[in-house]
Amino acid sequence: AQTVTQSQPEMSVQEAETVTLSCTYDTSESNYYLFWYKQPPSRQMILVIRQEAYKQQNATENRFSVNFQKAAKSFSLKISDSQLGDTAMYFCAFMKLTLYGQNFVFGPGTRLSVLP
Amino acid sequence: GAGVSQSPSNKVTEKGKDVELRCDPISGHTALYWYRQSLGQGLEFLIYFQGNSAPDKSGLPSDRFSAERTGGSVSTLTIQRTQQEDSAVYLCASSYRGNNEQFFGPGTRLTVL
Repeated sequence: AQTVTQSQPEMSVQEAETVTLSCTYDTSESNYYLFWYKQPPSRQMILVIRQEAYKQQNATENRFSVNFQKAAKSFSLKISDSQLGDTAMYFCAFMKLTLYGQNFVFGPGTRLSVLP
Repeated sequence: GAGVSQSPSNKVTEKGKDVELRCDPISGHTALYWYRQSLGQGLEFLIYFQGNSAPDKSGLPSDRFSAERTGGSVSTLTIQRTQQEDSAVYLCASSYRGNNEQFFGPGTRLTVL
């Protein structure tokens, strides 16, 4: 079974600074997908960024980028120029395709506070 | 287009009562997921539907929990004889095979008194 670990339950960062959230996972699969989701206080989960395991190039979405280390099974999220609106819970997720469809596993989350 | 919707947004019930939570996925999405999220915690997988069938029910915590999906669309999660430990936010998500991304609803906050 796959597991996803986020070792930082809580983090804080000053506005405009850069912060990195860590995520490691355990799998024997070679083909899979990784995601970072954001859940602000409004409770609505929003996709931040995704990475296909077969792609070596790290995904980037504006101020959000990942450092994907497949051999180390590490998938960290870097937020540049942090904004107050980035305050949220961040969940790392692993997904593999099965005969039945998609199997998602979520990490426990990291609560990020952006300080003014 | 419309996103995933869930109703009610909040539900307060008394211990021992049954509750039904509803999820309307995005039109055309074949996969539907239910998760439970206790206060400040991560997502606990409950059940997954592909079309109307549920190939993975492994996350349902007890036989008091059941879910169905009809017409490949709306899903209902039913909790019978609710207990206080059932209090949580219940999230629904849908995805389209090949898209590889889950779209989440706003959740239903269930409080069992």
